[in-house]
Amino acid sequence: EPEVTQTPSHQVTQMGQEVILRCVPISNHLYFYWYRQILGQKVEFLVSFYNNEISEKSEIFDDQFSVERPDGSNFTLKIRSTKLEDSAMYFCASSDAGSYEQFFGPGTRLTVL
Amino acid sequence: DAKTTQPNSMESNEEEPVHLPCNHSTISGTDYIHWYRQLPSQGPEYVIHGLTSNVNNRMASLAIAEDRKSSTLILHRATLRDAAVYYCILCCSRGGADGLTFGKGTHLIIQP
Repeated sequence: EPEVTQTPSHQVTQMGQEVILRCVPISNHLYFYWYRQILGQKVEFLVSFYNNEISEKSEIFDDQFSVERPDGSNFTLKIRSTKLEDSAMYFCASSDAGSYEQFFGPGTRLTVL
Repeated sequence: DAKTTQPNSMESNEEEPVHLPCNHSTISGTDYIHWYRQLPSQGPEYVIHGLTSNVNNRMASLAIAEDRKSSTLILHRATLRDAAVYYCILCCSRGGADGLTFGKGTHLIIQP
């Protein structure tokens, strides 16, 4: 069964450093998403991406964040200058055209020291 | 975004049916009712969705009130693997690009 994959599973970084979280969505999907979940809190929507541009973004997704689909398979989330409060589990998801079902990856745990 | 209200937690016994309620009194005519679940240490997982009619799939059933102000997710025969946080989410009047707004969900505990 096709699945969304994410790398790395755990990333540790120093405050102020740039990080790139990587996702490989399901191959024929057209919509891509990033969510985050701070430990013990709700899953929060960050951004959706369709046709090589941002479709929707939340208030959390400020200028420190960016997304990119650099090739036909990867979807990345970049945080330019990490803060302690960026520590969270980051989930990538994808969905097919005409389907409302979002498929989530296993997540990347980001720890900012 | 329209809001949903769910109990914080529910407990059930293995192999018994489970009914998870959700209130969404401010639902709009174009909102779909989605259910996702999150098993421990995993990403959310789609369970089921519907608009007006009751829906069944291999995982669960979704019963939607006639006025659409509430719905119930039904697990017909709970197993230990169904222990998770279940989220009721109103979504996707715009189609595939909508982000999901998760609440706190219902923490379902299954007793062996």
